[in-house]
Amino acid sequence: GDSVTQMEGPVTLSEEAFLTINCTYTATGYPSLFWYVQYPGEGLQLLLKATKADDKGSNKGFEATYRKETTSFHLEKGSVQVSDSAVYFCALSPSVNQAGTALIFGKGTTLSVSS
Amino acid sequence: DTGVSQDPRHKITKRGQNVTFRCDPISEHNRLYWYRQTLGQGPEFLTYFQNEAQLEKSRLLSDRFSAERPKGSFSTLEIQRTEQGDSAMYLCASISGAAVGDTQYFGPGTRLTVL
Repeated sequence: GDSVTQMEGPVTLSEEAFLTINCTYTATGYPSLFWYVQYPGEGLQLLLKATKADDKGSNKGFEATYRKETTSFHLEKGSVQVSDSAVYFCALSPSVNQAGTALIFGKGTTLSVSS
Repeated sequence: DTGVSQDPRHKITKRGQNVTFRCDPISEHNRLYWYRQTLGQGPEFLTYFQNEAQLEKSRLLSDRFSAERPKGSFSTLEIQRTEQGDSAMYLCASISGAAVGDTQYFGPGTRLTVL
């Protein structure tokens, strides 16, 4: 079945460092891909998304490009801040989905940024 | 737009008791999803509604679980005869469209602890 694999954390960085969180997926057809972020004590928030191959999603300095050839959707940010400390989830919505548009999530990657 | 709300935020119960959670989606969102998130894992799909109709249930949803969405507005998730393995965060999400790339908006979750 469809699945998402993301790098295990925790990822610990100093402020202004470059961030990459790897995400690869297995799916038939052309799924849509998402990154959600979960700040401490809060619900999941959409960070960015891409709905077709070669699309780049971007928001708040974060970027991810939908790579069909490598089945990847890696999250990057050029300069992280302490406020970016959170858990990041990669997710997909299968193109053929019996469960409406239910999302399939990776296990999450915890990012901790220190000043 | 007040966002998705869930009540209660935390619930502690003893094994064997019944519990009920409520989710209020964003108004006019016709699709509503329930997910379960255990420690160190990403959310997993449980069930979803389109308006008042429950259209799909995951195999994770045992017979002890039941969900309703009367009148296509708020939804409730009930767990009967709770077990320690039911301890998790229960997330609700709503969405206005039906396309694969549409965004799901999540509530803050209800954290269930079964003693």
